[in-house]
Amino acid sequence: KAGVTQTPRYLIKTRGQQVTLSCSPISGHRSVSWYQQTPGQGLQFLFEYFSETQRNKGNFPGRFSGRQFSNSRSEMNVSTLELGDSALYLCASSRGVETGDTQYFGPGTRLTVL
Amino acid sequence: KQEVTQIPAALSVPEGENLVLNCSFTDSAIYNLQWFRQDPGKGLTSLLLIQSSQREQTSGRLNASLDKSSGRSTLYIAASQPGDSATYLCAVAPRGGSQGNLIFGKGTKLSVKP
Repeated sequence: KAGVTQTPRYLIKTRGQQVTLSCSPISGHRSVSWYQQTPGQGLQFLFEYFSETQRNKGNFPGRFSGRQFSNSRSEMNVSTLELGDSALYLCASSRGVETGDTQYFGPGTRLTVL
Repeated sequence: KQEVTQIPAALSVPEGENLVLNCSFTDSAIYNLQWFRQDPGKGLTSLLLIQSSQREQTSGRLNASLDKSSGRSTLYIAASQPGDSATYLCAVAPRGGSQGNLIFGKGTKLSVKP
């Protein structure tokens, strides 16, 4: 069974640009969450989607947005990039939203903003 | 506000030693606690998930315990091997949030010397 895949794996952008990251969950998984990982702040929750609906959103500015498609694939978008947005962006999927569902993480997208 | 702390931030041990990693959280209202492993530049691998009603979980050489009342969890690694070298993260799913909204500690970087 294929794991969570994220594309692209690496991105270099300049300040002010926008970027779209993609996440394909494990087959049959309907819940997708996004996290930002930086050396200073560690892993921080961005948003969670289930059945195309955003269930929860972390404490990030409106420049960060996401969506989920009917096939459970998800994208996140960051507009007007800032240097501080440089991070590893991780996507996780789970079967649903039950409390016992393990989160399975993808390899991440490394975003560098110059 | 839920906070998760992991001490120590780094640990170096000789091969073959048994070791314990610590995780503490400030609010006992959680659905579950998960331990993850992260190799450099990679995503997270789920090791163990403990439901709030459980006291421990075991998988191979790994044993995780949960004491919700004191806000503590430990990950015990038996007979450590160089391949166990990685950063270990614990995360809680807080009640009142959603399953995909995990609160992470900053991790313990483990180095097992041959």
